[in-house]
Amino acid sequence: SQQGEEDPQALSIQEGENATMNCSYKTSINNLQWYRQNSGRGLVHLILIRSNEREKHSGRLRVTLDTSKKSSSLLITASRAADTASYFCATAGGNTPLVFGKGTRLSVIA
Amino acid sequence: GAGVSQSPSNKVTEKGKDVELRCDPISGHTALYWYRQSLGQGLEFLIYFQGNSAPDKSGLPSDRFSAERTGGSVSTLTIQRTQQEDSAVYLCASSPQGAIYEQYFGPGTRLTVT
Repeated sequence: SQQGEEDPQALSIQEGENATMNCSYKTSINNLQWYRQNSGRGLVHLILIRSNEREKHSGRLRVTLDTSKKSSSLLITASRAADTASYFCATAGGNTPLVFGKGTRLSVIA
Repeated sequence: GAGVSQSPSNKVTEKGKDVELRCDPISGHTALYWYRQSLGQGLEFLIYFQGNSAPDKSGLPSDRFSAERTGGSVSTLTIQRTQQEDSAVYLCASSPQGAIYEQYFGPGTRLTVT
């Protein structure tokens, strides 16, 4: 299975600190995506990194991908209370649907 | 433009009843997905429609679950003879092309089976 697994399962930090979440997967991929979910409802796409890319930035988000280790990390810099959410990685390969991990629950304390 | 919409937003039903959940994808998106998420858990893939191809039903947990996509647009997920373990949030997503592209999610339908 391509399933991504996020680590840690839960993370609590103070506002202004950086938050780092990791994702590991098992098979080769076309790309890896990160999503955010607030209050257990719809997910919002954050960033997509292709298998031939090593790092990507979007605002306060920085994603890295190491295909040799089959792992990715999501860094949120200068966190805000509004960043409190669950974060999921999802792997994409071939014509199979995205496979989501179980997520990291991030709490940013003001 | 309009995003993915789902209806109803909440559904409470008695065990043994049938339910239908509806998803309106973003106009022009050829791919549509259904997922299920139990409380505090990740997303469980249910079914995937891509254009006119036969749907990928590999994630449907039992034959009580079925889905249709009419005219390449609106989709309905039907659960027959609901069980308490079917209680979850059912999420629909669409994407402009195939399975590897970013997905746009609806707000979900929270199903409670009593």
